[in-house]
Amino acid sequence: AQTVTQSQPEMSVQEAETVTLSCTYDTSESDYYLFWYKQPPSRQMILVIRQEAYKQQNATENRFSVNFQKAAKSFSLKISDSQLGDAAMYFCAYRRPRGGADGLTFGKGTHLIIQP
Amino acid sequence: DTAVSQTPKYLVTQMGNDKSIKCEQNLGHDTMYWYKQDSKKFLKIMFSYNNKELIINETVPNRFSPKSPDKAHLNLHINSLELGDSAVYFCASSPLAGAGELFFGEGSRLTVL
Repeated sequence: AQTVTQSQPEMSVQEAETVTLSCTYDTSESDYYLFWYKQPPSRQMILVIRQEAYKQQNATENRFSVNFQKAAKSFSLKISDSQLGDAAMYFCAYRRPRGGADGLTFGKGTHLIIQP
Repeated sequence: DTAVSQTPKYLVTQMGNDKSIKCEQNLGHDTMYWYKQDSKKFLKIMFSYNNKELIINETVPNRFSPKSPDKAHLNLHINSLELGDSAVYFCASSPLAGAGELFFGEGSRLTVL
């Protein structure tokens, strides 16, 4: 079974600084999908960024980018120019190829605090 | 225009009661899910349905019974509620084909007293 590990229960960063959240995963598949979701205090699960394992290029969405290291099974999220609105729980998630009804396997999350 | 909607958003009830949470999606997706988020924020899949058919049934007490009247709806009924059932329950949907993200509802916070 796939597992997703987020080793940082909590991270703190100054507003406008850059922060990197770590995620590692374990799978025997060669093709799969990885995601970062954000959960603010409102509780809503919001997709931040996604990465297809067959793509070598790291995904980027505005201030959010990933460092995908397939051989190391590592998928970190970098947030540049941190803003107060970035404060949230961040979850790394895995979905196997042609995942069908398998859904996502989540890590335990990292609580990101933004210091003004 | 909410893509995945759940009702109720909050539910407070006594131990031993029976309650239901309803979920509807208007995205035309084939697959729907129930996830449970515990007090430590861990998200774990409970059930998935594809076009009204149960696909995944994780190790969940049989007091939990999902029902899918059609592919746009997936309800969760819980019998004989226990204190440990207190959690946030998320409904989600996705297309079956491909491996895109899941679209989540806003969650339903269940508190059992």
